[in-house]
Amino acid sequence: DIQMTQSPSSVSASVGDRVTITCRASQGISSWLAWYQQKPGKAPKLLIYAASSLQSGVPSRFSGSGSGTDFTLTISSLQPEDFATYYCQQANSFPLFTFGPGTKVDIK
Amino acid sequence: EVQLVESGGVVVQPGGSLRLSCAASGFTFDDYAMHWVRQAPGKGLEWVSLISWDGGSTYYADSVKGRFTISRDNSKNSLYLQMNSLRAEDTALYYCAKDIIGGYSYGGHFDYWGQGTLVTVSS
Repeated sequence: DIQMTQSPSSVSASVGDRVTITCRASQGISSWLAWYQQKPGKAPKLLIYAASSLQSGVPSRFSGSGSGTDFTLTISSLQPEDFATYYCQQANSFPLFTFGPGTKVDIK
Repeated sequence: EVQLVESGGVVVQPGGSLRLSCAASGFTFDDYAMHWVRQAPGKGLEWVSLISWDGGSTYYADSVKGRFTISRDNSKNSLYLQMNSLRAEDTALYYCAKDIIGGYSYGGHFDYWGQGTLVTVSS
């Protein structure tokens, strides 16, 4: 099975900061990677799919990059509504889709 | 507007059974594969099961294989999860989620999610 790791597990940041979250797969997954945002008490929301494609309606301050085993989610200028937990998810090893453990972004 | 509304979550004893439902609207339901994803309290996300657009193919996580059965009724725009031999570790919020790619393919990413239904397995 493909294991996903994320770093950091949590990050404290201020509004306006640039925030970068890293996701690593235990083996190559090409570009079969998505990023989700989850706020407390809410369902996850798809931000990025195919490693770098922005989901419709998602602000352009969110971007994704990477391929193979190493991926990055970047928030270019953190907004108050961006404080949440972020998960990566691989879809290469059909049908055993796996998520990373999550990265919590909170207010510094 | 795409809507997914889960129901059926309750408190059930270990070894018990439960059937979850998910009512879909706002898209052509029988064009898309559908998934169940769960989240234990305070924990991360775990993919549970996938069903093809026509119900002809089903897939399960190892943790639920042989105990859970996914199904769908395209005439009712509904997705189901039959859960048998429930264990304490099945306690979670269960989400239904729409696959991002329609037709005969699977994208394996989830572009719409319901609000979840809580299953608690406890004596």
